Amino acid sequence: DIVLTQSPDSLAVSLGERATINCKSSQSVFYSSNNKNYLTWYQQKPGQPPKLLLSWASTRESGVPDRFSGSGSGTDFTLTITSLQAEDVAVYYCHQYYTTPCTFGQGTKLEIK
Amino acid sequence: QITLKESGPTLVRPTQTLTLTCTFSGFSLNTDTVGVGWIRQPPGAAPEWLALTYWDDEKRYRPSLKSRLTITKDTSKNQVVLTVTNMDPVDTGTYYCAHSPSYGLLYFDYWGPGTLVIVSS
Repeated sequence: DIVLTQSPDSLAVSLGERATINCKSSQSVFYSSNNKNYLTWYQQKPGQPPKLLLSWASTRESGVPDRFSGSGSGTDFTLTITSLQAEDVAVYYCHQYYTTPCTFGQGTKLEIK
Repeated sequence: QITLKESGPTLVRPTQTLTLTCTFSGFSLNTDTVGVGWIRQPPGAAPEWLALTYWDDEKRYRPSLKSRLTITKDTSKNQVVLTVTNMDPVDTGTYYCAHSPSYGLLYFDYWGPGTLVIVSS
């Protein structure tokens, strides 16, 4: 199985500042035939299901604020939240769908400093 | 508007079989090239994908749990059912069903609210 390792495990950022979460894959999730990275980012708030933020590593889902962005390729990926808002407090997960079974990172807990 | 909702028992005894039902609306598993999957999340841990079924009855399972899992669909009722045999306390967690937007892609864009399953004697 592909192992996704996120860093840091937890993060405290001041309102209006930038938050950066990293995700490292144990093997590449880049498919050269279509030039796509098979990686998503999810946001999960307490008592709620995960919410899909980004697919294909960097494509924002409809309705997701543009302060959320994704970058990276192959084995190293980053979720960036510019200008952190109070409602962004959550646990964030990266997830790969390159191979079966699809797998999730262990999560990064984002709090307000 | 796509919605999904899970239903099933909250408490299951060890060794029993768990049966969960996902009732969905806003899409068809008869004609649309989409899938419905099940994902579980132990308390305080990351989600773990379990199984998925597609419109053409193609099914995929988490290899490490394949012997215990069965996923079926009833397109006339817009339902997908997951059974998990030989339940153990480590199977405790919130079970979600979710919509997969494209054939062959194991990611999920719409999720149900989840149902908590506790395995205890």
